[in-house]
Amino acid sequence: QKEVEQDPGPLSVPEGAIVSLNCTYSNSAFQYFMWYRQYSRKGPELLMYTYSSGNKEDGRFTAQVDKSSKYISLFIRDSQPSDSATYLCAMGDTGFQKLVFGTGTRLLVSP
Amino acid sequence: GAVVSQHPSWVICKSGTSVKIECRSLDFQATTMFWYRQFPKQSLMLMATSNEGSKATYEQGVEKDKFLINHASLTLSTLTVTSAHPEDSSFYICSASASGRPDTQYFGPGTRLTVL
Repeated sequence: QKEVEQDPGPLSVPEGAIVSLNCTYSNSAFQYFMWYRQYSRKGPELLMYTYSSGNKEDGRFTAQVDKSSKYISLFIRDSQPSDSATYLCAMGDTGFQKLVFGTGTRLLVSP
Repeated sequence: GAVVSQHPSWVICKSGTSVKIECRSLDFQATTMFWYRQFPKQSLMLMATSNEGSKATYEQGVEKDKFLINHASLTLSTLTVTSAHPEDSSFYICSASASGRPDTQYFGPGTRLTVL
C-alpha cells in the first residue's frame, strides 16, 4: 500500500464548476499537508499549506484535512481554464525531513 | 522572489554517457536542496537531500555512485547521472529551501532527460 493515494484522473469539468480533489494516506504521523499545482513540464508550485486538522481558505481555494479519516481535500470554486494542471498532495511527519507526494490528479477545465 | 532555475531544461544523451544538471537559487541562499525524479503518471520521488558543504543524504534504493550530487555553494547544486541508461530517462526536479525545511522548498522547472 502506498503511503499516499491520489486518483490520477483526468478530471474534466466545465468552467465555473466546483472541483474537489482528494488524497488518502496511511501514516498517522503526518502533520503537515500541502497542495501543489504543476503545469506541464514545469516544477510544482505551492498552493495551500495546512498543519494538522481543519480548513484553510485562500481565494477560490479551500483545503480540508480530516486526520481521523486520513483524508485531505482541495476545493476549487469557480474553476477557470487556467486552473487546468496537475494537482499534487504532499505530506510530512513531525520529524519533517522530507515530503511524501501523491501521484497527482490531472484537472482539465473546459471553457 | 524565491526563484529556482534548472539547466538544461531538456537533454538527450547516448547510453553510457554522463549528464550534469544544475540547480540554482537565484534570489535566496539555499541551505538545503532536494533532488526528485518524476516518472510519467507517478509521484515525485525524493532521490536525495543535500546541505551546502556536506555530503548528500540519499533515499533508500538510490545509487549514490550513479547519481552524484554536489552542493558546493548556497546557490548551486548539481546532479550528475553517470553512465546513463534508458531506464534513467525521467523528469528530474530540484528544489531549494533557505530554512532547510521541506515545507519551505521552492521547485525548479525540471529537466527532461532522455537516454537513447
